[in-house]
Amino acid sequence: QKEVEQNSGPLSVPEGAIASLNCTYSDRVSQSFFWYRQYSGKSPELIMSIYSNGDKEDGRFTAQLNKASQYVSLLIRDSQPSDSATYLCAVEERGSTLGRLYFGRGTQLTVWP
Amino acid sequence: GAVVSQHPSRVICKSGTSVKIECRSLDFQATTMFWYRQFPKQSLMLMATSNEGSKATYEQGVEKDKFLINHASLTLSTLTVTSAHPEDSSFYICSATRGGTSSYNSPLHFGNGTRLTVT
Repeated sequence: QKEVEQNSGPLSVPEGAIASLNCTYSDRVSQSFFWYRQYSGKSPELIMSIYSNGDKEDGRFTAQLNKASQYVSLLIRDSQPSDSATYLCAVEERGSTLGRLYFGRGTQLTVWP
Repeated sequence: GAVVSQHPSRVICKSGTSVKIECRSLDFQATTMFWYRQFPKQSLMLMATSNEGSKATYEQGVEKDKFLINHASLTLSTLTVTSAHPEDSSFYICSATRGGTSSYNSPLHFGNGTRLTVT
């Protein structure tokens, strides 16, 4: 399977700080990139998606994509304790079956009050 | 509300028995659904792609005779874990897409998952 690498953490930040989550992927045919949040025992929920180089912002979340470096990141501003979860990076390969995503292992984030 | 329903949410069974997990798309037709397995502190591992009206496509290393997938209608896919053993205990999650050209434009919808415990 395609390799999607994430630092498993745990990443611990204080409330109000910026949390930075990173992801690298192994090949250049990946076309779309996703960040999912997963609470323990729950299924993933989509936080951000990005497919072009640069930044994409949505509220407190910013996704950054650098295809030349095969790198995608997620910034969470003004982190809240409710943001404490595991964040999964996923990639979709160009030309693959729609919806067929490859996931990283996830980074566990803890936001302490 | 949920657009993909997965049932049951939790099941405990004895070793050697079979367990069926259902995944339903509630308000759209899903020609393709996906089944994932997730062990504690591990990522979602794609097991198979379920295609309506045809055989499922299994990922390398997944035993198709052990994990039977049936996608008999456009809204229902089932995963049957046959002759379950304790090592099959895991969190099983399905997902479905409404269709389109990219998951960027047509995000996946996940079921709530099934926690399987084999004793």
